[in-house]
Amino acid sequence: DAKTTQPTSMDCAEGRAANLPCNHSTISGNEYVYWYRQIHSQGPQYIIHGLKNNETNEMASLIITEDRKSSTLILPHATLRDTAVYYCIVRGYSGNTPLVFGKGTRLSVIA
Amino acid sequence: GAVVSQHPSRVICKSGTSVKIECRSLDFQATTMFWYRQFPKQSLMLMATSNEGSKATYEQGVEKDKFLINHASLTLSTLTVTSAHPEDSSFYICSALSGGGTGNSPLHFGNGTRLTVT
Repeated sequence: DAKTTQPTSMDCAEGRAANLPCNHSTISGNEYVYWYRQIHSQGPQYIIHGLKNNETNEMASLIITEDRKSSTLILPHATLRDTAVYYCIVRGYSGNTPLVFGKGTRLSVIA
Repeated sequence: GAVVSQHPSRVICKSGTSVKIECRSLDFQATTMFWYRQFPKQSLMLMATSNEGSKATYEQGVEKDKFLINHASLTLSTLTVTSAHPEDSSFYICSALSGGGTGNSPLHFGNGTRLTVT
């Protein structure tokens, strides 16, 4: 079973920041928080991941709370092409651990 | 960035025939690949874990004799759907592990194969 809880859907105005929350209250010390997104009829796209520090790359920022029980993915300037299902996934340290997908958040970016 | 190529992107086959789907890691070696299946309006479900040079590990409820997985090299894994039936129609997606092989290494996904069995 997925170890994360995400809202089913969210809307965001184009050009504004999209903040997608995720609860992972049972995360253990060596588990990473991963974010992927899936645009309709495509394979999931890796966005970002982190362990306990906040992370930023060219796509997004990941803010992880100090107790690591929740995180927020931030898309700083959402565009229409960011409309997708966003998955927050907790993954163990072992390299052979697959990703277990929950239902994710359907983000709709509105013009 | 790491690229995973999946082929074909779309296939239609008749009931009772077999279909092979290829998954290649183009710019990295992948000792482990994962195969997922996604039905309409549902999330991805893990089918099996494929390790180079050894037998695949299947998730509960996935028939290993129906979904044959071969991972003969560090850059190629194949999934063969044998004796396909309409209920096997789905979106099949592979993923490969890059980097150092730890939880700090992202999985990268192919663009999926839409299988339709008529």
